[in-house]
Amino acid sequence: AQTVTQSQPEMSVQEAETVTLSCTYDTSESDYYLFWYKQPPSRQMILVIRQEAYKQQNATENRFSVNFQKAAKSFSLKISDSQLGDAAMYFCAYRSYNYGQNFVFGPGTRLSVLP
Amino acid sequence: KAGVTQTPRYLIKTRGQQVTLSCSPISGHRSVSWYQQTPGQGLQFLFEYFSETQRNKGNFPGRFSGRQFSNSRSEMNVSTLELGDSALYLCASSLEGREAYNEQFFGPGTRLTVL
Repeated sequence: AQTVTQSQPEMSVQEAETVTLSCTYDTSESDYYLFWYKQPPSRQMILVIRQEAYKQQNATENRFSVNFQKAAKSFSLKISDSQLGDAAMYFCAYRSYNYGQNFVFGPGTRLSVLP
Repeated sequence: KAGVTQTPRYLIKTRGQQVTLSCSPISGHRSVSWYQQTPGQGLQFLFEYFSETQRNKGNFPGRFSGRQFSNSRSEMNVSTLELGDSALYLCASSLEGREAYNEQFFGPGTRLTVL
């Protein structure tokens, strides 16, 4: 069974600075998707960024980028120019490429942004 | 396009009672997943429904059940409520198919409090 680990329960960053959230996963599959979801205090979970394992190029969405290391099974999220609105719980998630497999979520990292 | 909706948003019940939560997925989405979120256990997968059939199931007791209707709307039921069932229950929907089978869209959640 796949597992997702986020070793940083809490992190903080100064506004306008850069922060990196860590995620590692365990799988024997070669094709899969990885995601970072954000859950602000309002509770609505939203997708931040996704990566397909067969793509070597790291995904980027505006201020958010990932460092995907397939061999190391590592998928970190970098947030540049941090803003107060980035404060939230961040969940790393894995989904198999195979049909009918459910998502596996990590325990989450609570990010605080300091003014 | 409307997002995932969940009703009710808040619910207070007493031990021993039963509760039914409802989820309406995004139009066209046939997969609906349910999660339980608590501060101590994080985000735990309950079950997934696709085309009115339970496709995946998490490690929860039989008191937790669900169903999906022909219009893809889903309900989950918890019988004989326990204090430990107090949690945020999240519903998520997704498309199927290789190109779309890679993201879940979450609802705002139902906050269940068991007294």
